[in-house]
Amino acid sequence: DIQMTQSPSSLSASIGDSVTITCRSSQTISNYLNWYQHKPGKAPKLLISSASALQSGVPSRFTGSGSGTHFTLTITSLQREDLGVYYCQHTYGIPYSFGQGTKLEIK
Amino acid sequence: QVQLVQSGSELKNLGASVKISCKASGYTFRNYGMHWVRQAPGLGLEWMGWISTLSGNPTSAQGFKGRIVLSLDKSVDTAYLEIISLRPDDTAIYYCAREYGAGAYYFDYWGQGTAVTVSS
Repeated sequence: DIQMTQSPSSLSASIGDSVTITCRSSQTISNYLNWYQHKPGKAPKLLISSASALQSGVPSRFTGSGSGTHFTLTITSLQREDLGVYYCQHTYGIPYSFGQGTKLEIK
Repeated sequence: QVQLVQSGSELKNLGASVKISCKASGYTFRNYGMHWVRQAPGLGLEWMGWISTLSGNPTSAQGFKGRIVLSLDKSVDTAYLEIISLRPDDTAIYYCAREYGAGAYYFDYWGQGTAVTVSS
């Protein structure tokens, strides 16, 4: 099974800052990598699919990149509503799995 | 519009079973697979399994084999997750999620979540 490892596990940043979250897979997954944002009491929200495809309605300050085993999610011009937990997920064959999550706090 | 509406919260005793429903609307049910994901308190998202809405064939994650039953009622566009022999660590929020699967694979719509609490 493919293991997904995110870093950092948490981070704190100020409004207007840029942050980057890293996700690594235990084996190559091409670009079968998605990013979700999860807020308390809500369902997870898909931000980026196929490593870099921004979903409709998601602000352009969210950018995904990478392929193979190394991926990043970058959020520029951080806004208060960006707080939450971010997860990467591979869909390179069953069983799918998620990273352990990165909790983003706003200073 | 696409919606996945799950059944309500459940409080169950240790060793009991629970069956959660996920009713789909706004799209052709058989065209998208349905997955189940859970989040236990303080932990991350955990993929549990999926069911083909075309064939009805279910696949469970290794850690859940023999403990969950994934099923469908295509007549009412509804997917079900049944968990048997509930344990305290099954206390979690359970989500169904639709998989977009045409070349790229991702969960584009999610249910609102169903909280299951296992009481000892």
